[in-house]
Amino acid sequence: NAGVMQNPRHLVRRRGQEARLRCSPMKGHSHVYWYRQLPEEGLKFMVYLQKENIIDESGMPKERFSAEFPKEGPSILRIQQVVRGDSAAYFCASSPWAGGDTIYFGEGSWLTVV
Amino acid sequence: QKEVEQNSGPLSVPEGAIASLNCTYSDRVSQSFFWYRQYSGKSPELIMSIYSNGDKEDGRFTAQLNKASQYVSLLIRDSQPSDSATYLCAVNLDTGNQFYFGTGTSLTVIP
Repeated sequence: NAGVMQNPRHLVRRRGQEARLRCSPMKGHSHVYWYRQLPEEGLKFMVYLQKENIIDESGMPKERFSAEFPKEGPSILRIQQVVRGDSAAYFCASSPWAGGDTIYFGEGSWLTVV
Repeated sequence: QKEVEQNSGPLSVPEGAIASLNCTYSDRVSQSFFWYRQYSGKSPELIMSIYSNGDKEDGRFTAQLNKASQYVSLLIRDSQPSDSATYLCAVNLDTGNQFYFGTGTSLTVIP
């Protein structure tokens, strides 16, 4: 859904560098989800955030990955010391409230680690 | 993560035929069910949602839900080449607001 804005759309990083992916939810939405999609695989839940709170990070790798959704500004997914296995599409989605009817996806950020 | 299972396919049907996509889920507390369509290199887009047992129709699409069997399906009538995509099944637990996705079924509609 065009209302959820993600950037950058494509990002190339060398091994060991940091990747920062940004997501601005649809207007009026205060709940953000991050998913990762590896080539030829399904969407894997990573983290669910509300403004200034991480609600569920059960899908986040224990190391190198972090997410935030500050009071002002976009949600950020940060990957430190990237490795080739981090190459994937990262999708952000938003919903207007907890238990909202559904979630709406952004266009995705494609990370390539070389 | 809660399991959502789909046959990865590929599923091929001729143009005009009915395409049937199936999904099973493991968690009995799942309350809401969704079908998303994803074209290659694009983001998922919602096409159907269903919450109660039975059928729900929207144009050429019909979603079917059977909570006792933990089974949800999507029928696409009069399939068109533009329906060729990967179809993702998603479930939402009543608590926690997590949405869990299957790995998707690749559908090809042959002209």
